[in-house]
Amino acid sequence: QVQLQESGPGLVRPSETLSLTCTVSGDSINNYYWSWVRQPPGKGLEWIGYIFSTGSTNYNPSLKSRVAISVDTSKNHFSLRLSSVTAADTAVYFCTRGGIWFDPWGQGTLVTVSS
Amino acid sequence: EIVLTQSPVTLSLSPGERATLSCRASQSVSSFLAWYQQRPGQAPRLLIYDASNRATGVPARFSGSGSGTDFTLTISSLEPEDFAVYYCQQRSNWLTFGGGTKVEIK
Repeated sequence: QVQLQESGPGLVRPSETLSLTCTVSGDSINNYYWSWVRQPPGKGLEWIGYIFSTGSTNYNPSLKSRVAISVDTSKNHFSLRLSSVTAADTAVYFCTRGGIWFDPWGQGTLVTVSS
Repeated sequence: EIVLTQSPVTLSLSPGERATLSCRASQSVSSFLAWYQQRPGQAPRLLIYDASNRATGVPARFSGSGSGTDFTLTISSLEPEDFAVYYCQQRSNWLTFGGGTKVEIK
C-alpha cells in the first residue's frame, strides 16, 4: 500500500525558509492530489496546501504569501517551502494524499524554529 | 473561513461504552465533513468522509451522521484502541479542522 515519508531539517532559524520533502512509495504520485498539514505541539491540525501531480496548487489563505508546494514526478516526491518562519511555525509537519479528504498520512516530522 | 467547534473537549468513558462526539460548523457545509482519529504520537487516520461514509478498513462500530451545521461521530462500543483524539474537517469552503475531542479512559 502507499506510504509517505517526510524528510528535512528539524531546526530552522527565524526568518529563514523551511523546506521539507515527502517521498511516496508503493504507488505513483501521478493523478492524485497531495497535501501538507501541520500540528503545533499539543494543538490541532492546520491544512497548509495541496498540489496535483500536474503541478496545480491551492494554498491556505492565511499562509499563501509564504508557501510554495512543488512536485517531482520523476522522483515520486513533492515538497514544501515556507518562508520567513517564526516560532509560530514550530509544528509537526505531515504530508498526506488528497485535496479534500486526507488518507493516508506520513508519520510527521517535527520542525522547530529557533535561533 | 468556516469554523468547526467540537464538543465536548474531553469525554471520559469506559471500554464497552458508547461515545457520541459532536462537530458544529459556523455555516452550512452540506455533507462535506470528515472525521479523523489520532492516537498519541501517531498521524491522523481518516475514519469517515462525506459525513457518513466509512473509510476503507474502518470498523463498523464507527458511524457518522449529520448535515448542514451539525454532525455526530458515534463509536458504538469503545475498544481499548479507540481512546484517542478525534478531529472533524470540512471541505465546503477551503479546508479547516475542528479543535478535537479527546476520548479518555474513565
